[in-house]
Amino acid sequence: EPEVTQTPSHQVTQMGQEVILRCVPISNHLYFYWYRQILGQKVEFLVSFYNNEISEKSEIFDDQFSVERPDGSNFTLKIRSTKLEDSAMYFCASSDLVRVDKNIQYFGAGTRLSVL
Amino acid sequence: DQQVKQNSPSLSVQEGRISILNCDYTNSMFDYFLWYKKYPAEGPTFLISISSIKDKNEDGRFTVFLNKSAKHLSLHIVPSQPGDSAVYFCAASEESFGNEKLTFGTGTRLTIIP
Repeated sequence: EPEVTQTPSHQVTQMGQEVILRCVPISNHLYFYWYRQILGQKVEFLVSFYNNEISEKSEIFDDQFSVERPDGSNFTLKIRSTKLEDSAMYFCASSDLVRVDKNIQYFGAGTRLSVL
Repeated sequence: DQQVKQNSPSLSVQEGRISILNCDYTNSMFDYFLWYKKYPAEGPTFLISISSIKDKNEDGRFTVFLNKSAKHLSLHIVPSQPGDSAVYFCAASEESFGNEKLTFGTGTRLTIIP
């Protein structure tokens, strides 16, 4: 069964460093998303992406964050200068507009980001 | 800003019995609801969904009920099995052409007792 894959599974970085989290969405999906979950809290929407541009972003997604689809398969989240409070589990998701179940988003296993 | 609430952080149910997980929402613009299941160190896995035009959707052992007037939905699992032990998230979205961001509840940890 097709799945969303994320790398790395765990990323440790120093405060102020740049990190790039990578995702390979399901191949025929057109909509891509990033969510995050801080330990003990709920899953929060960060950004959605369609047709090579951001469709919607949350207030969390400030100027330190950016997303990119550099080729036909990868979808990346970049944090330019990490802060301690960026430590969280980051989930990538994708969805398919064509099918009846277009609202269903399929999630990757996540990348745990630890900022020291 | 808790637009989606799961008021029970945990629930324990005997194997073979029915598990009922509840979810309330406040945003009347929500019209599509999903349940996800999450194991530790994994991402949320889609379980079942329901559109606001329905009040019930069934898939095998899983049934979701929606009460729009009460802004309440529930997930019924019957019979419950040990493999159902996980954290269950309720999520909601507004109908639009694509890019429906999901708003999640805080989750309910379900433990099935053998």
